[in-house]
Amino acid sequence: RKEVEQDPGPFNVPEGATVAFNCTYSNSASQSFFWYRQDCRKEPKLLMSVYSSGNEDGRFTAQLNRASQYISLLIRDSKLSDSATYLCVVNMNYGGSQGNLIFGKGTKLSVKP
Amino acid sequence: DTEVTQTPKHLVMGMTNKKSLKCEQHMGHRAMYWYKQKAKKPPELMFVYSYEKLSINESVPSRFSPECPNSSLLNLHLHALQPEDSALYLCASSQARQRGTEAFFGQGTRLTVV
Repeated sequence: RKEVEQDPGPFNVPEGATVAFNCTYSNSASQSFFWYRQDCRKEPKLLMSVYSSGNEDGRFTAQLNRASQYISLLIRDSKLSDSATYLCVVNMNYGGSQGNLIFGKGTKLSVKP
Repeated sequence: DTEVTQTPKHLVMGMTNKKSLKCEQHMGHRAMYWYKQKAKKPPELMFVYSYEKLSINESVPSRFSPECPNSSLLNLHLHALQPEDSALYLCASSQARQRGTEAFFGQGTRLTVV
């Protein structure tokens, strides 16, 4: 079983649509969870951390369900500029003083006019 | 300042060359990482340094040799690479905490081995 699994995508949506990304992780001891965004030929950039209580940043809402080992990202009122690959990232700490960031394969989003 | 700087941005090297990739951060982060990313794939972890000590080596071939001279710098020495090693090499840094924190990435070095 892969450590971090995401929807394969790609997602092609019109402007203004709501789009949801889902992700599952295999290691129940995982400590931290993130969504990163990566534009073509650029480095990944942190979009938001994901907390158990759920968190929102403008049009973006992230949720974590530890019992189901499931993470989600919701984008409301999508913009053309949201087109990118969205990477689910899990910090699988193996007891050291730092984590091991494991990336899902990413889901490509294309927002069309 | 949440900046990780990588040099060079692009590198073309022959299979017999020796070259080094450099990474620098001044955020006081004590964990630094090298990732390799092939086209249309997610980044794959290569090495993790924690407090300037190598803590994770993901079974990377010895033709890749990491070095962490101090808490701000991370190098990746390359020798006798193969064409299949051509990829985007990403450096990242984060705080070194057991609960883990987000990592910040440099812009990467796009490496082509000919």
